Amino acid sequence: GQNIDQPTEMTATEGAIVQINCTYQTSGFNGLFWYQQHAGEAPTFLSYNVLDGLEEKGRFSSFLSRSKGYSYLLLKELQMKDSASYLCAVKDSNYQLIWGAGTKLIIKP
Amino acid sequence: GAVVSQHPSWVICKSGTSVKIECRSLDFQATTMFWYRQFPKQSLMLMATSNEGSKATYEQGVEKDKFLINHASLTLSTLTVTSAHPEDSSFYICSAANPGYNTEAFFGQGTRLTVV
Repeated sequence: GQNIDQPTEMTATEGAIVQINCTYQTSGFNGLFWYQQHAGEAPTFLSYNVLDGLEEKGRFSSFLSRSKGYSYLLLKELQMKDSASYLCAVKDSNYQLIWGAGTKLIIKP
Repeated sequence: GAVVSQHPSWVICKSGTSVKIECRSLDFQATTMFWYRQFPKQSLMLMATSNEGSKATYEQGVEKDKFLINHASLTLSTLTVTSAHPEDSSFYICSAANPGYNTEAFFGQGTRLTVV
């Protein structure tokens, strides 16, 4: 079956750095996405990786290793507004998005 | 990014009634639209995939006669929850994609459905 694993919850301090990991096992691979979702709202797109390596976009970076079925989302200079759930999703061979359960990130002052 | 508008953002209905949720892609042609359901503290669960002009493909366990999906044009898809029950109360989210031009899917704002 298809499976995406990420930690359920993480806590970090304002101004610090946090890394959210995601491992996946899917039938085929056509890209990995990270989304941010605030409670009661729809997900918003953060990043897309289809080749191995690091993609940097401002305070957020995303890394992919296809051979290891592994990705991480790195958030720097954490702000209180970064408190949200972070969803890892993989497009499988049918270009269908398979979602992880999400990691709830709690930022403390 | 592209804009997807979902309406209504919240709705309360009585058991046994039907509710229609609209999903519109405002600035691109969405050949494919996805309907998701999300229960509190759970991940997005794909309900069905609809391609413009054809019947929707439902995920296992999703009743197609209960959740009617219509994708009659490249900019509009609708989800109708028929004979709603309290257990249908959930957060419903649509997303739109045009695989030929986009990489990510764009989400509507979501609809909070409460059945009383």
